[in-house]
Amino acid sequence: EAGVVQSPRYKIIEKKQPVAFWCNPISGHNTLYWYLQNLGQGPELLIRYENEEAVDDSQLPKDRFSAERLKGVDSTLKIQPAELGDSAVYLCASSSIPGSEQFFGPGTRLTVL
Amino acid sequence: KQEVTQIPAALSVPEGENLVLNCSFTDSAIYNLQWFRQDPGKGLTSLLLIQSSQREQTSGRLNASLDKSSGRSTLYIAASQPGDSATYLCAVSPGGTSYGKLTFGQGTILTVHP
Repeated sequence: EAGVVQSPRYKIIEKKQPVAFWCNPISGHNTLYWYLQNLGQGPELLIRYENEEAVDDSQLPKDRFSAERLKGVDSTLKIQPAELGDSAVYLCASSSIPGSEQFFGPGTRLTVL
Repeated sequence: KQEVTQIPAALSVPEGENLVLNCSFTDSAIYNLQWFRQDPGKGLTSLLLIQSSQREQTSGRLNASLDKSSGRSTLYIAASQPGDSATYLCAVSPGGTSYGKLTFGQGTILTVHP
C-alpha cells in the first residue's frame, strides 16, 4: 500500500515569491493534516481536514498561508508571499479517522532566500 | 496548553544495550500517545500508538508504556542496533473535538555505535 505522497521534496525560492506544496494521503484516509517542522523541533499542526472541511486551522497564518482539499483527497498548501522565516519542512499526514494513528509523508523542505 | 518534554535530548549507546527514552506531558486529559522515529531528512515513521485506556504496547524490540495520571510515557528499546539510530519523537493527542491535534516533544537523538 502506498504511503503519503508529497511533492516537491525540496524547494528553494526567493522571499516574496509564492510557493505551493502538494499532498496525496493514504487511500481511504479521510483525515489530512499539514504540519510545519523547524530544525531541531517537533512538528506543529497548521491545519486539519475532515474530508473537504478544514476543522482546525487555528494555527495557520491566514495572512499568507492558504490550503485546500478539493474532493476530499489531495491537498495543497500555499504560501504567498514567502518570508525568510518560512524556511522549514512542511509535513503532510493522514489518518483513517480522527484521533487514530497518523502516517506521515517525507515532507517538503522549503528554503527561502 | 499542552507541553511535551522528552529526556534525554541526546543519547549515545553501544550496540546491544537496552535503553529507555522518556516523554512527559503536562495535561493528562489525552486521547492517545504516539511514538515516532525520524531519520535525517525524512518524514516521521509511526512506531507505536497507545490509547489512553491502555498501559503499554509492544512491537518487536520496542515497548512503550503509558502512565496517564502522572503524565509520563517511556519507550524501551531492547538490544539496540546501529539501525536504530534516529530521532525519536513522542506526541499526544487531546480528547474531545481536538483529537488528532498532536503536540510533539522536541525529540531524543539516539546514536547506537557498533
